[in-house]
Amino acid sequence: DQQVKQNSPSLSVQEGRISILNCDYTNSMFDYFLWYKKYPAEGPTFLISISSIKDKNEDGRFTVFLNKSAKHLSLHIVPSQPGDSAVYFCAAGYTGANSKLTFGKGITLSVRP
Amino acid sequence: NAGVMQNPRHLVRRRGQEARLRCSPMKGHSHVYWYRQLPEEGLKFMVYLQKENIIDESGMPKERFSAEFPKEGPSILRIQQVVRGDSAAYFCASSPVLKGNGEAFFGQGTRLTVV
Repeated sequence: DQQVKQNSPSLSVQEGRISILNCDYTNSMFDYFLWYKKYPAEGPTFLISISSIKDKNEDGRFTVFLNKSAKHLSLHIVPSQPGDSAVYFCAAGYTGANSKLTFGKGITLSVRP
Repeated sequence: NAGVMQNPRHLVRRRGQEARLRCSPMKGHSHVYWYRQLPEEGLKFMVYLQKENIIDESGMPKERFSAEFPKEGPSILRIQQVVRGDSAAYFCASSPVLKGNGEAFFGQGTRLTVV
C-alpha cells in the first residue's frame, strides 16, 4: 500500500522557469511532510518541510504548499537551475511515529540550460 | 563536523554469505534510522535505534536481518544468508533528538549486490 505517491516519474523544465513537483498521500495521520533531494550515488539531502498546521512554507527558491483536504502537497522551485537536476523524494511522518518517514518513489527533475 | 558515515560504499556478497553494513552517526546524534531502497522504489523504513536500544523495528524482515547500536562504535545492520532480493541501497540517517519535523541527515549509502 503506497501511502505516499509521486505519480509522475520525471519532469523536464527550462532553466529559469518554475518546476512544480507533486505528491499525494493517503494516511490522515501524517502531520508533517518533507522534501528530500538526491543526486546519483549520494544520500538524500533535506530540502524543506511543512507541518500540517500550515499550508505554505518558503525557503529561498523553494516553496512547499500543502492542501490537507485534498491530501496533496507540491514543491515549487523558481527559478529552476541546472544544478537542481536530481531525484526529489516526498516524505511524510506523524508525531508519535518516532520520526520514521514514509517516502514516495521520487521524481527525476531535469533542468535544461 | 563530519556527516553521517557509512561503510563500505559498495559491498558484493555471494548468496548465503553475511553482509555487515556500518553507520557512524553525526557527532552528537543519538538517533539512528536504517532505510532500504530497492531499484525504482522509494526509501523504505527498516529500523530505528538509540544507543543500546531498538526502538522500532517494524520495517525489518522477520528473518535474517538484525541491527544494533552499541554504546561504543557504529550502528551495524547485519544480513545473514543473503539472497538476490537483498540487493539494494541501504541508507542510514541520524538525528540529534526526535525532531518535530522528522528531519534527519542521511549517509551516502551502502550498495549491496548479491551475486
